[in-house]
Amino acid sequence: EVQLVESGGGLVKPGGSLRLSCAVSGFPFSNAWMSWVRQAPGKGLEWVGRIKTKPDGETTDYAAPVKGRFTISRDDSKKTLYLHLSSLKTEDTAVYYCATDGRDGGHDFWGQGTLVTVSS
Amino acid sequence: QSVLTQPPSVSGAPGQRVTISCTGSNSNIGAGYDVHWYQQLPGTAPKLLIFANTNRPSGVPDRFSGSKSGTSASLAITGLQAEDEADYYCQSYDTSLSGSVFGGGTKLAVL
Repeated sequence: EVQLVESGGGLVKPGGSLRLSCAVSGFPFSNAWMSWVRQAPGKGLEWVGRIKTKPDGETTDYAAPVKGRFTISRDDSKKTLYLHLSSLKTEDTAVYYCATDGRDGGHDFWGQGTLVTVSS
Repeated sequence: QSVLTQPPSVSGAPGQRVTISCTGSNSNIGAGYDVHWYQQLPGTAPKLLIFANTNRPSGVPDRFSGSKSGTSASLAITGLQAEDEADYYCQSYDTSLSGSVFGGGTKLAVL
């Protein structure tokens, strides 16, 4: 059974930093492109960014609102995906989901999400 | 404003058929990228409902179907059931943004 479990969310002040983790099981993580998607309270889904596999150079892409502030990384030995958030703004408040990237561009499997609240 | 445009809400009576549209542009759907649909029940994570325009993952009822034409796509739900009340999102890839793009979501109400 495929499982993705996010952790690391919480309350942080504007300008602060946080690291989210996504532990995966049930599929060959090292072969999977992975994305982070967020959802602000009462709003729709917003793609945050993606990391490709090591053979694909572990290339990362980011959405414009987070580029230069957020960093995605992965540890294949621990089957864990990370999202480092820095210079946080109140508008970054959201539930953050990790998701797999299918070769057709869809997101096949999702975690349950972790809430990040940016507030003073 | 979302890159892909969906109606904010649709509704239908039990047993009826509804459709949800998703309109993009020549940098995403019109460029030939696949469209995927997700169902998000209240308080839960999104779930893949339709992948690559027309395909259903295992376990998704055949009451759900997808189509794509030009710069648009549609999700159709037949035989509406109360359990179908949820938010539905379309998603594709945008070449100018180099990443996934989502529609703003459509809330389905089963009257």
